[in-house]
Amino acid sequence: NAGVTQTPKFQVLKTGQSMTLQCAQDMNHNSMYWYRQDPGMGLRLIYYSASEGTTDKGEVPNGYNVSRLNKREFSLRLESAAPSQTSVYFCASSLTSVAKNIQYFGAGTRLSVL
Amino acid sequence: AQTVTQSQPEMSVQEAETVTLSCTYDTSESDYYLFWYKQPPSRQMILVIRQEAYKQQNATENRFSVNFQKAAKSFSLKISDSQLGDAAMYFCAAIIQGAQKLVFGQGTRLTINP
Repeated sequence: NAGVTQTPKFQVLKTGQSMTLQCAQDMNHNSMYWYRQDPGMGLRLIYYSASEGTTDKGEVPNGYNVSRLNKREFSLRLESAAPSQTSVYFCASSLTSVAKNIQYFGAGTRLSVL
Repeated sequence: AQTVTQSQPEMSVQEAETVTLSCTYDTSESDYYLFWYKQPPSRQMILVIRQEAYKQQNATENRFSVNFQKAAKSFSLKISDSQLGDAAMYFCAAIIQGAQKLVFGQGTRLTINP
């Protein structure tokens, strides 16, 4: 059972470079999320997609864009990477965005911006 | 504003003993859900247990149980018969009805001593 798959697992960028983090889920979930995890802190929501065709900002959206490509895939793009975006990025999905639904997480992408 | 606080950055316990991890939260809402997630060195976020705020009965899942004190806004996790595989970061998280984002605490690193 794959669940939520994130690629790549690791990435090193130079300041100003761009990249896209990919996320795919095979659980037929409607809602998908992007979080970032910084040292000594819990995860913080960057963007979410409550359903296919919709996206909304979370707590820390600045410097990021997202695309809900289809029901399975939700990508996160850094247009011009900055050292402050060095973090571990997690994608998650849930059946719907209703609070009671459990969010299932991918294994994360560790991103370093030099 | 919704906040989650874990006041114990690190905890350790002897194998086969019992340990309790603390979590407090703050919300003015009455309908919400609380979670404990485990993050082992692999980085994968794994759901340990979930508690619905409207339920008075404490959730249990095998060796894991919670002590949910709604009036005190406290949600502690008890791990019985600790095993080496329980070593991980543990995150407390909350989500209110109508919201999309999980709000996480800072995490508690649990070490199991053989």
